[in-house]
Amino acid sequence: DTEVTQTPKHLVMGMTNKKSLKCEQHMGHRAMYWYKQKAKKPPELMFVYSYEKLSINESVPSRFSPECPNSSLLNLHLHALQPEDSALYLCASSQGNRGTNTEAFFGQGTRLTVV
Amino acid sequence: LAKTTQPISMDSYEGQEVNITCSHNNIATNDYITWYQQFPSQGPRFIIQGYKTKVTNEVASLFIPADRKSSTLSLPRVSLSDTAVYYCLVGDSGSARQLTFGSGTQLTVLP
Repeated sequence: DTEVTQTPKHLVMGMTNKKSLKCEQHMGHRAMYWYKQKAKKPPELMFVYSYEKLSINESVPSRFSPECPNSSLLNLHLHALQPEDSALYLCASSQGNRGTNTEAFFGQGTRLTVV
Repeated sequence: LAKTTQPISMDSYEGQEVNITCSHNNIATNDYITWYQQFPSQGPRFIIQGYKTKVTNEVASLFIPADRKSSTLSLPRVSLSDTAVYYCLVGDSGSARQLTFGSGTQLTVLP
């Protein structure tokens, strides 16, 4: 199984809502990533978890809250978002060990619209 | 983190070989070079990775000169379905930031 599964595929939420994005992989990868991608722009790194610990937070606003419950799951909790947060949110995973194959696998993304 | 520079866009015709070059002048000793392909509204997909000289797989070839300050992704005999954005990434496999994307190259294959 070389898939990264993201749910939901589409999400529309109001600015006062609380929602969560989910990501799952069963490849035994120990590094997991959240990205935000706006139209015609490259993916922008938000958070990195390494061995279930948050290792990178790229100065992301606190209305985005990541969580890694175990080595296979990654969540992104959303609260009080703004319309400019509308984007494609991508999850990825990789082995995470130095010197090994660094091929990363990406999910299909969640298309988020904030209204 | 090594910065990468790629052409913003390229056009090609079906059946031609396409070469996309990436500059990474401050590449570090431990850094690998990795290329990803992305179609609209999909996640990026790994194409190829290399450290030096030449790497080939069933999809592409990657050429890396001795100084490693640049690399060239070669796509043989492209088809319309190869129209996508191609990203060159440079990073240490042990660094969590090794998956930082640059601006990418929009390749358009014309009939």
